[in-house]
Amino acid sequence: RKEVEQDPGPFNVPEGATVAFNCTYSNSASQSFFWYRQDCRKEPKLLMSVYSSGNEDGRFTAQLNRASQYISLLIRDSKLSDSATYLCVVNGRTSGTYKYIFGTGTRLKVLA
Amino acid sequence: EPEVTQTPSHQVTQMGQEVILRCVPISNHLYFYWYRQILGQKVEFLVSFYNNEISEKSEIFDDQFSVERPDGSNFTLKIRSTKLEDSAMYFCASSVTVLSSYEQYFGPGTRLTVT
Repeated sequence: RKEVEQDPGPFNVPEGATVAFNCTYSNSASQSFFWYRQDCRKEPKLLMSVYSSGNEDGRFTAQLNRASQYISLLIRDSKLSDSATYLCVVNGRTSGTYKYIFGTGTRLKVLA
Repeated sequence: EPEVTQTPSHQVTQMGQEVILRCVPISNHLYFYWYRQILGQKVEFLVSFYNNEISEKSEIFDDQFSVERPDGSNFTLKIRSTKLEDSAMYFCASSVTVLSSYEQYFGPGTRLTVT
C-alpha cells in the first residue's frame, strides 16, 4: 500500500460546482496532515492544515478520519483560479525529524 | 510576507559535472529541507537539516549529495557527479520548528536538467 494515496484525476468541474478529494495514508502513527496546492511547474503552496475536529477556510473544508486513515478536502463554489493539483501531505516522525510524505496529487480543472 | 528563495531558477549541466543549488530560508526558521520532483511524479523528501547537521536523509540522498549551511542565511545542496536521472525540480523548504504541526514553506524551486 502506498504511504499516501490520492486519485490523480483529472476532475473536470464547471464553475460554481462543489468538488471533493480524498486521500488515504498507511501509517497510523502519522502526526499531522496538510493540503497543498501546486500549479504547473511551481512550488507546493500551503492551502490548509487538517485538524482532527475538521476545519474550514472560506470555500475550503478539510476533514480527518484517523480511524479510517483518510483526509478529505471539499471546495465549494469552484472558481477558474482553483484549477491546480492538490497535494495531500502527511507529516510523521521517523528516525529523527518530521518529514513530509506527499501524495501524487489530484488534478482539478474548473471549466467556464 | 517572508519567503524562501532559490537560485538559480534553471540549471543545465552535463552528466558527471558538479552542481550547487542555493536556497535562502525564511530568516527565523531553524529547520531546512530539500525535496525533489521528477517531471510528472510526486514530491520526494531528500534531506532535513538542523543545527548545522543532517537530521534525516532518504534513500535517494546517497554519497553524491551533500548539504551545507555556509553562512547564516544560505543553505545549499551539492550534487557531486550528476546523472541523467538527477534531472528534476529541486525544492528547498523551511520551518520554524520540527514539531509535526508546523508547516513547511517551499521555495520556487530550481529546475535541474542533466544532459
